Amino acid sequence: IQLTQSPSSLSASLGDRVTIACRASQSSSSYLSWYQVKPGKAPKLLIYATSSLQSGVPSRFSGSGSGTDFTLTITSLQPEDFATYYCQQSYTFGPGTTVDIK
Amino acid sequence: QVQLVQSGAEVKKPGASVKVSCKASGYSFTRHYMHWVRQAPGQGLEWMGIINPDGGSTSSAQKFQGRLTMTSDTSTSTVYMELSSLTSEDTAVYYCAREFAPVSINNWYDPWGQGTLVTVSS
Repeated sequence: IQLTQSPSSLSASLGDRVTIACRASQSSSSYLSWYQVKPGKAPKLLIYATSSLQSGVPSRFSGSGSGTDFTLTITSLQPEDFATYYCQQSYTFGPGTTVDIK
Repeated sequence: QVQLVQSGAEVKKPGASVKVSCKASGYSFTRHYMHWVRQAPGQGLEWMGIINPDGGSTSSAQKFQGRLTMTSDTSTSTVYMELSSLTSEDTAVYYCAREFAPVSINNWYDPWGQGTLVTVSS
Protein backbone atom coordinates (compact mmCIF):
# COMPACT_ATOMS: atom_id res chain seq x y z
CA ILE A 1 0.00 0.00 0.00
CA GLN A 2 1.23 3.49 -0.81
CA LEU A 3 -0.12 6.64 0.81
CA THR A 4 -0.25 10.10 -0.70
CA GLN A 5 -1.08 13.29 1.16
CA SER A 6 -2.37 16.56 -0.14
CA PRO A 7 -1.40 19.23 0.01
CA SER A 8 2.28 18.65 0.74
CA SER A 9 2.31 21.97 2.54
CA LEU A 10 -0.08 24.76 3.35
CA SER A 11 -0.05 28.17 4.92
CA ALA A 12 -2.86 29.08 7.26
CA SER A 13 -3.81 31.71 9.80
CA LEU A 14 -4.78 31.32 13.40
CA GLY A 15 -8.42 30.34 13.64
CA ASP A 16 -8.53 28.81 10.16
CA ARG A 17 -10.08 25.46 9.41
CA VAL A 18 -7.51 23.11 7.88
CA THR A 19 -8.14 19.89 6.00
CA ILE A 20 -5.44 17.41 5.07
CA ALA A 21 -6.19 14.52 2.74
CA CYS A 22 -4.62 11.08 2.72
CA ARG A 23 -5.24 8.64 -0.11
CA ALA A 24 -4.30 4.97 -0.12
CA SER A 25 -3.32 3.17 -3.30
CA GLN A 26 -5.80 0.44 -2.50
CA SER A 27 -8.59 -0.22 -0.08
CA SER A 28 -7.53 -2.08 3.03
CA SER A 29 -9.04 -3.41 6.21
CA SER A 30 -6.28 -1.67 8.17
CA TYR A 31 -7.16 1.37 10.21
CA LEU A 32 -5.70 4.80 9.49
CA SER A 33 -3.92 6.91 12.07
CA TRP A 34 -2.57 10.45 12.12
CA TYR A 35 0.54 11.85 13.82
CA GLN A 36 1.79 15.36 14.51
CA VAL A 37 5.53 15.95 14.32
CA LYS A 38 7.29 19.10 15.48
CA PRO A 39 11.02 19.77 14.93
CA GLY A 40 13.12 18.11 17.59
CA LYS A 41 10.14 16.40 19.18
CA ALA A 42 8.85 12.85 19.05
CA PRO A 43 5.78 12.20 16.91
CA LYS A 44 2.45 12.41 18.68
CA LEU A 45 -0.53 10.19 17.98
CA LEU A 46 -3.57 12.33 17.25
CA ILE A 47 -6.13 10.02 15.66
CA TYR A 48 -6.33 6.23 15.56
CA ALA A 49 -8.79 3.86 13.94
CA THR A 50 -9.52 6.57 11.36
CA SER A 51 -11.66 8.75 13.63
CA SER A 52 -10.88 8.05 17.29
CA LEU A 53 -9.32 10.97 19.14
CA GLN A 54 -6.34 9.98 21.28
CA SER A 55 -6.65 10.89 24.94
CA GLY A 56 -5.39 14.39 25.66
CA VAL A 57 -5.66 15.58 22.07
CA PRO A 58 -7.81 18.69 21.65
CA SER A 59 -11.23 18.18 20.17
CA ARG A 60 -10.46 20.59 17.32
CA PHE A 61 -8.71 17.62 15.69
CA SER A 62 -10.88 15.07 13.92
CA GLY A 63 -10.44 12.28 11.44
CA SER A 64 -12.77 10.73 8.92
CA GLY A 65 -12.87 8.63 5.80
CA SER A 66 -13.13 5.12 4.49
CA GLY A 67 -11.90 2.91 1.70
CA THR A 68 -9.02 4.80 0.14
CA ASP A 69 -9.79 8.40 1.10
CA PHE A 70 -9.21 9.85 4.54
CA THR A 71 -9.13 13.31 6.06
CA LEU A 72 -7.64 15.06 9.06
CA THR A 73 -9.43 18.27 9.99
CA ILE A 74 -8.26 20.94 12.38
CA THR A 75 -10.92 23.46 13.25
CA SER A 76 -9.75 26.85 14.50
CA LEU A 77 -5.99 26.47 14.06
CA GLN A 78 -3.97 27.29 17.16
CA PRO A 79 -0.30 28.41 17.45
CA GLU A 80 0.76 24.98 18.72
CA ASP A 81 -0.75 23.27 15.65
CA PHE A 82 1.94 24.44 13.25
CA ALA A 83 3.71 21.19 12.51
CA THR A 84 3.98 18.36 10.00
CA TYR A 85 1.20 15.79 9.90
CA TYR A 86 1.58 12.20 8.75
CA CYS A 87 -1.06 9.62 8.00
CA GLN A 88 -0.28 5.95 8.51
CA GLN A 89 -1.86 2.72 7.44
CA SER A 90 -0.36 -0.61 8.40
CA TYR A 91 3.42 -0.11 8.28
CA THR A 92 3.28 2.68 5.71
CA PHE A 93 3.47 6.39 6.45
CA GLY A 94 2.34 9.12 4.10
CA PRO A 95 4.90 11.71 2.95
CA GLY A 96 3.62 14.35 5.34
CA THR A 97 1.86 17.72 5.17
CA THR A 98 3.52 20.76 6.68
CA VAL A 99 1.25 23.41 8.15
CA ASP A 100 2.92 26.78 8.59
CA ILE A 101 1.91 30.30 9.41
CA LYS A 102 0.54 32.49 6.66
CA GLN B 1 3.11 7.53 33.39
CA VAL B 2 3.98 5.50 30.32
CA GLN B 3 7.44 6.49 29.18
CA LEU B 4 10.07 5.35 26.72
CA VAL B 5 13.61 6.60 27.27
CA GLN B 6 16.19 6.01 24.57
CA SER B 7 19.96 5.99 24.66
CA GLY B 8 22.01 8.94 23.54
CA ALA B 9 23.27 10.14 20.20
CA GLU B 10 25.82 8.10 18.30
CA VAL B 11 28.42 8.86 15.65
CA LYS B 12 29.53 5.90 13.58
CA LYS B 13 31.80 5.29 10.62
CA PRO B 14 30.52 3.67 7.43
CA GLY B 15 30.43 -0.09 7.75
CA ALA B 16 30.03 -0.03 11.51
CA SER B 17 27.02 -1.07 13.59
CA VAL B 18 24.94 0.90 16.06
CA LYS B 19 22.83 -0.33 18.94
CA VAL B 20 20.09 1.85 20.39
CA SER B 21 18.24 1.06 23.59
CA CYS B 22 14.70 1.96 24.61
CA LYS B 23 13.76 1.55 28.27
CA ALA B 24 10.05 1.33 29.01
CA SER B 25 8.27 2.21 32.23
CA GLY B 26 4.77 2.78 33.53
CA TYR B 27 3.06 -0.21 31.91
CA SER B 28 3.25 -3.96 31.52
CA PHE B 29 6.26 -4.29 29.24
CA THR B 30 5.44 -7.69 27.80
CA ARG B 31 1.88 -6.83 26.80
CA HIS B 32 2.69 -4.25 24.13
CA TYR B 33 4.56 -4.72 20.89
CA MET B 34 7.32 -2.21 20.19
CA HIS B 35 8.12 -0.63 16.84
CA TRP B 36 11.18 1.10 15.51
CA VAL B 37 10.73 4.07 13.18
CA ARG B 38 13.34 6.41 11.74
CA GLN B 39 13.37 9.86 10.22
CA ALA B 40 16.26 10.97 8.06
CA PRO B 41 17.07 14.69 7.91
CA GLY B 42 14.36 16.51 5.98
CA GLN B 43 12.56 13.27 5.26
CA GLY B 44 9.43 11.54 6.46
CA LEU B 45 8.81 8.70 8.87
CA GLU B 46 9.94 5.21 7.92
CA TRP B 47 8.86 2.05 9.70
CA MET B 48 11.73 -0.32 10.35
CA GLY B 49 10.47 -3.23 12.36
CA ILE B 50 8.50 -4.64 15.27
CA ILE B 51 9.31 -6.79 18.25
CA ASN B 52 7.13 -8.69 20.65
CA PRO B 53 8.85 -8.16 24.01
CA ASP B 54 7.13 -11.30 25.25
CA GLY B 55 9.22 -13.94 23.58
CA GLY B 56 11.26 -11.69 21.31
CA SER B 57 9.72 -12.52 17.93
CA THR B 58 10.45 -9.88 15.32
CA SER B 59 9.52 -8.72 11.85
CA SER B 60 11.23 -6.05 9.80
CA ALA B 61 10.77 -4.07 6.64
CA GLN B 62 12.27 -5.79 3.64
CA LYS B 63 14.88 -3.08 3.07
CA PHE B 64 16.41 -3.75 6.50
CA GLN B 65 16.30 -7.52 6.48
CA GLY B 66 19.69 -8.98 7.11
CA ARG B 67 21.12 -5.97 8.91
CA LEU B 68 18.45 -5.08 11.51
CA THR B 69 18.39 -6.93 14.81
CA MET B 70 15.82 -6.23 17.51
CA THR B 71 15.96 -7.77 20.96
CA SER B 72 14.23 -7.36 24.30
CA ASP B 73 15.26 -7.77 27.92
CA THR B 74 12.25 -8.32 30.13
CA SER B 75 14.36 -8.05 33.29
CA THR B 76 15.03 -4.38 32.54
CA SER B 77 11.99 -3.61 30.34
CA THR B 78 14.31 -2.57 27.56
CA VAL B 79 14.24 -3.19 23.84
CA TYR B 80 17.25 -2.82 21.59
CA MET B 81 17.68 -2.05 17.92
CA GLU B 82 20.96 -2.84 16.21
CA LEU B 83 21.61 -1.79 12.63
CA SER B 84 24.73 -3.04 10.89
CA SER B 85 26.67 -2.16 7.73
CA LEU B 86 25.88 1.51 8.19
CA THR B 87 26.09 3.99 5.32
CA SER B 88 25.56 7.72 5.22
CA GLU B 89 21.95 7.02 4.20
CA ASP B 90 21.36 5.58 7.67
CA THR B 91 21.94 8.99 9.24
CA ALA B 92 18.62 9.62 10.96
CA VAL B 93 16.75 9.99 14.21
CA TYR B 94 15.67 6.56 15.38
CA TYR B 95 12.55 6.18 17.51
CA CYS B 96 11.05 3.36 19.48
CA ALA B 97 7.28 3.54 19.66
CA ARG B 98 4.90 1.44 21.69
CA GLU B 99 1.90 -0.21 20.11
CA PHE B 100 -0.98 1.62 21.79
CA ALA B 101 -3.29 -1.33 22.45
CA PRO B 102 -2.07 -4.34 24.42
CA VAL B 103 -1.52 -7.73 22.84
CA SER B 104 -2.39 -6.49 19.36
CA ILE B 105 -0.89 -4.93 16.25
CA ASN B 106 -2.97 -2.04 14.96
CA ASN B 107 -0.13 0.30 14.09
CA TRP B 108 -1.21 2.98 16.52
CA TYR B 109 1.99 4.17 18.15
CA ASP B 110 1.83 5.83 21.53
CA PRO B 111 3.99 6.89 23.19
CA TRP B 112 7.24 7.37 21.31
CA GLY B 113 10.72 7.58 22.73
CA GLN B 114 12.51 10.91 22.54
CA GLY B 115 14.56 9.75 19.57
CA THR B 116 18.22 8.91 19.11
CA LEU B 117 20.27 10.69 16.46
CA VAL B 118 22.62 8.36 14.64
CA THR B 119 25.15 10.07 12.43
CA VAL B 120 27.16 8.01 9.96
CA SER B 121 30.23 9.85 8.76
CA SER B 122 33.79 9.05 7.84
